[in-house]
Amino acid sequence: GAGVSQSPRYKVAKRGQDVALRCDPISGHVSLFWYQQALGQGPEFLTYFQNEAQLDKSGLPSDRFFAERPEGSVSTLKIQRTQQEDSAVYLCASSLFTGSNQPQHFGDGTRLSIL
Amino acid sequence: DAKTTQPNSMESNEEEPVHLPCNHSTISGTDYIHWYRQLPSQGPEYVIHGLTSNVNNRMASLAIAEDRKSSTLILHRATLRDAAVYYCILRDGDKIIFGKGTRLHILP
Repeated sequence: GAGVSQSPRYKVAKRGQDVALRCDPISGHVSLFWYQQALGQGPEFLTYFQNEAQLDKSGLPSDRFFAERPEGSVSTLKIQRTQQEDSAVYLCASSLFTGSNQPQHFGDGTRLSIL
Repeated sequence: DAKTTQPNSMESNEEEPVHLPCNHSTISGTDYIHWYRQLPSQGPEYVIHGLTSNVNNRMASLAIAEDRKSSTLILHRATLRDAAVYYCILRDGDKIIFGKGTRLHILP
């Protein structure tokens, strides 16, 4: 079946531009997560939704980062006034239910490069 | 969040079993032990998880020590496609806190 889909796969932007990254989770999955992965590092948690409610945004690095999931399915991660340190792979994951015993299913990410 | 300790890298020969160790001496009673792997240019892939008992699935086996302070991911017959970074993770909530993982090299 269809997995988690992220678009675009690659994004190049100039410093100062705004970008929007899209995540299509597996249909019916309640929980949706965003992670940021710098080169050579493990992914780092950014934010988490349960349906349309954003329950945890403690990992967002600054107020330039904003995520939404208005209808409880597709999610968008927006970065305003991009900086070079925002260059990373942004991963989206979804899980069927909430809870620490639930596997998360990841997309292949969007590789963001800020020039 | 409780932390895990894994070797930075390991090597194994193709078609042989691989035992990937993980230490988690500060594990709490409600922490689940999860393993994910990440192949080059892909997102992490769920492998297996458990709480107290050993677990088997089509991908791997998870052996959990009786005191739960360590665990071992077992790939029964490694192939070249198993070359990846393997993350051992303790979860007591919804989000995942990744460490640096073990980079597994498979020798043909």
